[in-house]
Amino acid sequence: DIQMTQSPSSLSASVGDRVTITCRASQGITNDLGWYQQKPGKAPKRLIYAASSLQSGVPSRFSGSGSGTEFTLTISSLQPEDFATYFCLQHNSYPRTFGGGTKVEIK
Amino acid sequence: QVQLQESGPGLVKPSETLSLTCTVSGGSITNYYWSWIRQPPGKGLEWIGFIYYSGNTIYNPSLESRVTLSVDTSNNKFSLKFYSVTDTDTAVYYCARSGSFTGSFDSWGQGILVTVSS
Repeated sequence: DIQMTQSPSSLSASVGDRVTITCRASQGITNDLGWYQQKPGKAPKRLIYAASSLQSGVPSRFSGSGSGTEFTLTISSLQPEDFATYFCLQHNSYPRTFGGGTKVEIK
Repeated sequence: QVQLQESGPGLVKPSETLSLTCTVSGGSITNYYWSWIRQPPGKGLEWIGFIYYSGNTIYNPSLESRVTLSVDTSNNKFSLKFYSVTDTDTAVYYCARSGSFTGSFDSWGQGILVTVSS
């Protein structure tokens, strides 16, 4: 199985801050990575697909980058509605595996 | 806009079978890949398996011996059966859709908490 190591596991930030979250794969996955936002009691929402493509309807302050084994999700200017948990998913091989999640909290 | 909704009992006894259904609305179940994913309290996400609308399946090898997925195309639903559950199977269970065999999950249900307890 491909292990996805996500960091940090949590962070505190203020509205307007730039936030960066990283996922590292235990082996190369080309660009087969998605980023998701999860809020309590709600369906997870895909933000980024193919490592850097913005999902339709997602604000442009979200961006993804990387390929191979290292990937980054960046929120350029954190908004109040962005306080949530974020996780990555590799879909290069089966079984699908996820990063451990990053909880973004209000400072 | 497709919507997915999980349903089933919220409480299952140890050693029994956990059965959940995902109902797909706002779109067809055909030509897509349908997965189950779970998240134990305070832990990370674990992919259980997927089923194609034709009935083809791929399971997570770590769970394969205890899982069966099925699909009901006439009612736009697919289902999970998880056998011989223990308290470690307590989790929020999600269903999700992929547009292709190699794709990521583009739509998810909101999840259902299933507790395994006597």
